[in-house]
Amino acid sequence: EAEVAQSPRYKITEKSQAVAFWCDPISGHATLYWYRQILGQGPELLVQFQDESVVDDSQLPKDRFSAERLKGVDSTLKIQPAELGDSAMYLCASSKDRMVDGYTFGSGTRLTVV
Amino acid sequence: KQEVTQIPAALSVPEGENLVLNCSFTDSAIYNLQWFRQDPGKGLTSLLLIQSSQREQTSGRLNASLDKSSGRSTLYIAASQPGDSATYLCCLRETSGSRLTFGEGTQLTVNP
Repeated sequence: EAEVAQSPRYKITEKSQAVAFWCDPISGHATLYWYRQILGQGPELLVQFQDESVVDDSQLPKDRFSAERLKGVDSTLKIQPAELGDSAMYLCASSKDRMVDGYTFGSGTRLTVV
Repeated sequence: KQEVTQIPAALSVPEGENLVLNCSFTDSAIYNLQWFRQDPGKGLTSLLLIQSSQREQTSGRLNASLDKSSGRSTLYIAASQPGDSATYLCCLRETSGSRLTFGEGTQLTVNP
């Protein structure tokens, strides 16, 4: 069964450092999402891509977060500088068509900022 | 702004019990509602998806219902098993193509 790949699985970084996460969606999935899940809460959307274009980044803290999907395939989410409050699970998901249901989530990257 | 609330936050039951997880939302104008399962430290697995025109969906021991007029959905788990232990998340989409809005989840523990 096809999966959404994310790396690394775990990341510990010091505050003020830069950190990056990588996501490889299911082949052929045009829509890619990055969600952030703080412990004990539900996931919240950070950014949504349709191919290589951003269609929703209204909840992305743009002063420190950036996301790209240059070739419309895999994607990178970056935080610089990291803050203690960024400690969370970062989940990537993809779907074939954003108008059609059927999200597949990756296993996530657990970030701890110390 | 749409708000999704899940009650209870945590639930512990003995194996074999039938149980109900609750999800409520503030705006009944939704496109669909979905239940996910999340194992500790893992991603989300879709369980059931209910379109706004539907009242319920069933898969094996799981049954999800939707009552838009009252802003409620329930997930019924029959004959619970220890393997059902996980966090169950309710989420909804307000329009086709819009983001998913999640509740905070119910952490379920089924004791052998």
